[in-house]
Amino acid sequence: NAGVTQTPKFQVLKTGQSMTLQCAQDMNHEYMSWYRQDPGMGLRLIHYSVGAGITDQGEVPNGYNVSRSTTEDFPLRLLSAAPSQTSVYFCASRPTVTYEQYFGPGTRLTVT
Amino acid sequence: SQQGEEDPQALSIQEGENATMNCSYKTSINNLQWYRQNSGRGLVHLILIRSNEREKHSGRLRVTLDTSKKSSSLLITASRAADTASYFCATDANAGGTSYGKLTFGQGTILTVHP
Repeated sequence: NAGVTQTPKFQVLKTGQSMTLQCAQDMNHEYMSWYRQDPGMGLRLIHYSVGAGITDQGEVPNGYNVSRSTTEDFPLRLLSAAPSQTSVYFCASRPTVTYEQYFGPGTRLTVT
Repeated sequence: SQQGEEDPQALSIQEGENATMNCSYKTSINNLQWYRQNSGRGLVHLILIRSNEREKHSGRLRVTLDTSKKSSSLLITASRAADTASYFCATDANAGGTSYGKLTFGQGTILTVHP
């Protein structure tokens, strides 16, 4: 199993550009989440999903959209990038029967 | 806002010594988890303790939970240079008994173990 995969690993955007961060998992996990990690602040939840077709907002959802059309994929869209969105983004998944989350390797995003 | 506060923010020890990290949180929880993050990598789950448990062991890891004080500690015994990493506590809030995996993280403790 590849686990949780994220692409790209690095991305530089200009203010106002849009892009999609990809996340996929091959463990058949129902729960998936997106977090951002900023220096000195730990991880903060952006959006999460409890299954295909079901998403909800986390702590810091503004500026981000998500959708979940399949169990495997959970892309995160930045509609109009801002410098405040410079961060490292992590995708995670979790089975319904246990609590530990499995994290992807992260995407480092810089918005200039 | 951040649920958890961790201390110390940084800890530097010699190989063979024990490392203790503390975490405090604000609201009721279903469980509390500890994760490790090596530099530039994703987080790896270490250990989970449920709200009705007080202590749990896994190899060289010992975690305690005091729900009355809303605090937890992670002890790594006989540390090794390979334990050098950032360690995060994460709380899984009790939303009417249903947990959707919405973790709230502390800001982390940076552990450096010198050979």
